[in-house]
Amino acid sequence: QQQVRQSPQSLTVWEGETAILNCSYENSAFDYFPWYQQFPGEGPALLISILSVSNKKEDGRFTIFFNKREKKLSLHIADSQPGDSATYFCAASKGGSAKLIFGEGTKLTVSS
Amino acid sequence: NAGVIQTPRHKVTGKGQEATLWCEPISGHSAVFWYRQTIVQGLEFLTYFRNQAPIDDSGMPKERFSAQMPNQSHSTLKIQSTQPQDSAVYLCASSPLTGAETLYFGSGTRLTVL
Repeated sequence: QQQVRQSPQSLTVWEGETAILNCSYENSAFDYFPWYQQFPGEGPALLISILSVSNKKEDGRFTIFFNKREKKLSLHIADSQPGDSATYFCAASKGGSAKLIFGEGTKLTVSS
Repeated sequence: NAGVIQTPRHKVTGKGQEATLWCEPISGHSAVFWYRQTIVQGLEFLTYFRNQAPIDDSGMPKERFSAQMPNQSHSTLKIQSTQPQDSAVYLCASSPLTGAETLYFGSGTRLTVL
């Protein structure tokens, strides 16, 4: 049972466009949602995160929109750059648990 | 700060052999995690230590996998009698906090079981 789902599996955008990566979850007890960025041959790196008490979190070109009622969130990458080409993972944890449940990932390609 | 160090980067074993993977967390971090990454299953939680004590091993296959953290500077993941389905990238992460916030991952060990 996949508790965290991501779509699309892969996404290609042009340089300068906004990339939108989607994530949904099943467990209403999840309250912490980080997004990790992974380049080939490297481990994932924390990009941005949000708590379920918020509906939006911004950090530079990266914005998380969170809809608790629908159990959905999305990562918007504004002004996409070729260097943003990577796989992005949505994850979730609940109630102070240290265990992160990861989605399947979205592979983003930014073309110049 | 060299980050989380995992050795070896690549390991090839024959079916039935033992594999030991090493992790050196970031100095001063109190929590150490092990995850496994495959194309099919994605990123899976295996186990977690806090202040060297095992806290949650709910993701560990019970029979052949074991993890230890004998001191604050390293952790090991041991797989006995390796099977082809154990082939994966094993990722170690550390965190300065006790929860799931801000995990710092190493580059992983790619285990191939022939």
